[in-house]
Amino acid sequence: QVTLRESGPALVKPTQTLTLTCTFSGFSLSTSGMCVSWIRQPPGKALEWLALIDWDDDKYYSTSLKTRLTISKDTSKNQVVLTMTNMDPVDTATYYCARKYSSSAYYFDYWGQGTLVTVSS
Amino acid sequence: EIVLTQSPATLSLSPGERATLSCRASQSVSSYLAWYQQKPGQAPRLLIYDASNRATGIPARFSGSGSGTDFTLTISSLEPEDFAVYYCQQRSNWPRGYTFGQGTKLEIK
Repeated sequence: QVTLRESGPALVKPTQTLTLTCTFSGFSLSTSGMCVSWIRQPPGKALEWLALIDWDDDKYYSTSLKTRLTISKDTSKNQVVLTMTNMDPVDTATYYCARKYSSSAYYFDYWGQGTLVTVSS
Repeated sequence: EIVLTQSPATLSLSPGERATLSCRASQSVSSYLAWYQQKPGQAPRLLIYDASNRATGIPARFSGSGSGTDFTLTISSLEPEDFAVYYCQQRSNWPRGYTFGQGTKLEIK
């Protein structure tokens, strides 16, 4: 059974750095082709892809947010971590992690329940 | 970067009716298009991939069609649990990234 769960602070102040952790089970990020991605959704708005890391430690970032994002993995702990620097109120959103199960696939078959992050002083 | 445009923004229908949702890509994505359903307070759920393949456990009333730039998600006969927001999604190879449409809200009339 594949599950993903996001964890991190519910509230951050402007200019602070956000660190989110995705803890997953039911698959391994050391399996060839496996990937985990971060996607966010501001309240009442559409989904926005942020970053992806694959089994080979290749990393991909949203063009518009690339300078602020870092994604990393700890395969032994079944975790993927996203950091976002210089947080702003417009970054208030629910942040999801999701699995992409192969290199050839482009869609996300399992999602975490999401964690709401509010940016406010 | 490929832009996905969904229409309509809101669709008001009654249970039992047929729903047709559209997703248009700014350039060809071949058949590499997925659809998701999202209910309030829940994560998105994969419905359709490769434009027309239903994901595991998705009822047969959901179907997808299209290729190139124009895609359609059809729900043949709406059930009460189908009222939700639907997103289309694709991948760009250069720069590598993943794009979602802005969503279509399917509401009860």
